[in-house]
Amino acid sequence: RKEVEQDPGPFNVPEGATVAFNCTYSNSASQSFFWYRQDCRKEPKLLMSVYSSGNEDGRFTAQLNRASQYISLLIRDSKLSDSATYLCVVKENTNAGKSTFGDGTTLTVKP
Amino acid sequence: DAGVIQSPRHEVTEMGQEVTLRCKPISGHNSLFWYRQTMMRGLELLIYFNNNVPIDDSGMPEDRFSAKMPNASFSTLKIQPSEPRDSAVYFCASSDGYTGELFFGEGSRLTVL
Repeated sequence: RKEVEQDPGPFNVPEGATVAFNCTYSNSASQSFFWYRQDCRKEPKLLMSVYSSGNEDGRFTAQLNRASQYISLLIRDSKLSDSATYLCVVKENTNAGKSTFGDGTTLTVKP
Repeated sequence: DAGVIQSPRHEVTEMGQEVTLRCKPISGHNSLFWYRQTMMRGLELLIYFNNNVPIDDSGMPEDRFSAKMPNASFSTLKIQPSEPRDSAVYFCASSDGYTGELFFGEGSRLTVL
C-alpha cells in the first residue's frame, strides 16, 4: 500500500463546477500536510498548506481529518486555468524530514 | 530572488554512460531533496540532506546512484552506469526547514537510450 493515496482521475469538469479531491495517508505520525499543483511538464508548486481546523484560500478549501487520516481539496467555481495535476503531500514533522507525494489527481476544466 | 537552479535541463545519453545532475538550492535553505518523476511511479524521493548531511537515502534505487552535497550551495546526483529505466525527470527541491514548503527546480529531463 502506498503511503499517500489519491484518486488519479482524470476529472473533467465544465467551467464553474465544484470539484473535490481526496487523499489518504498511512503514517499516523505525519505532522504537516499540503496540496501542490503541477502543470504539464513543469515543476510542482505549493498551492496551500492544510491545517487541522480547515482553511480556505479564495476558491480553494482544504480540510484535514486526522482520525481518518484523510485530506481533501475543494475547488469552487472552477476556471480553465485550474487545469493541472494536484498532488497531496504528507510530511513527517514540521521542521526537517521528508515529504511524501501522492501520485496526483488530474483535473481538466472545459469551456 | 533566484529559485532552485538545476542543470542540465535536458540530457540524452547512451546506456552505460555516466550522468551527473547538478543543483543549487535557494540561499539560506538548509534542506535539499532529490526526487525522480515518471508516469509509472509518480514523484519518488531519492535522498535528502539536512545541513549538507545525507539523512535518508533509502529511496536511492541501487548502487549505480550516488548523491553528494559538498557545501550548502551545491549538490550532485550521479548515475553510473546509466540504464534506459533511469529515464525520468529528476527534480531538486530545497526547504528552509520551518514552513515545510518545498521549492522545486525546473527539473532535469534524462533520456537514456
